[in-house]
Amino acid sequence: AQKVTQAQTEISVVEKEDVTLDCVYETRDTTYYLFWYKQPPSGELVFLIRRNSFDEQNEISGRYSWNFQKSTSSFNFTITASQVVDSAVYFCALRADDYNQGGKLIFGQGTELSVKP
Amino acid sequence: AAGVIQSPRHLIKEKRETATLKCYPIPRHDTVYWYQQGPGQDPQFLISFYEKMQSDKGSIPDRFSAQQFSDYHSELNMSSLELGDSALYFCASSLERGRNYGYTFGSGTRLTVV
Repeated sequence: AQKVTQAQTEISVVEKEDVTLDCVYETRDTTYYLFWYKQPPSGELVFLIRRNSFDEQNEISGRYSWNFQKSTSSFNFTITASQVVDSAVYFCALRADDYNQGGKLIFGQGTELSVKP
Repeated sequence: AAGVIQSPRHLIKEKRETATLKCYPIPRHDTVYWYQQGPGQDPQFLISFYEKMQSDKGSIPDRFSAQQFSDYHSELNMSSLELGDSALYFCASSLERGRNYGYTFGSGTRLTVV
């Protein structure tokens, strides 16, 4: 079975603080894909990153960075020097590479990040 | 660049009425997914289509049906609406069931059942 767990329901930080959002996943597949999406108050799902299971390199994009560790089945997301505009719900998601599953995404419960000025 | 178009953006229906949500995928995308997101919840997979055939089915009530048409757009039909059906409904499209490709989500249809 596939599962994604985001244990942090809500996080509140003050602007310019660094914050890490945790994501732990479960899958029996050897090939899989992990995603992070941002959902601002307006409601749309904004794609942030996609990572396949064979690529364990960490990635940095501006103030965003991702730490993928297969040994602990984690794909954590760090925002450096947070800003008020980062306030949103962040979802981690998993896509297994099982032909029969049709490629659906399985989402974690989401972490609501509040960045205060 | 063209995105995934969902219509309508907002819909208000009364209990026991029917609703039809439409999704127009990115041109040349052959896979469509429907998700339901209740208030404060994560998106839950409902159903998907690949090359106009149902590809996978999630926790979709029997009152709901969906299909993908020859032009690859998809419609989600919801009958005998209940208050609990109030949610944000997302459509996403991809190529080849997302293998080696990402997913593009539409802006969602917010359904309110009163």
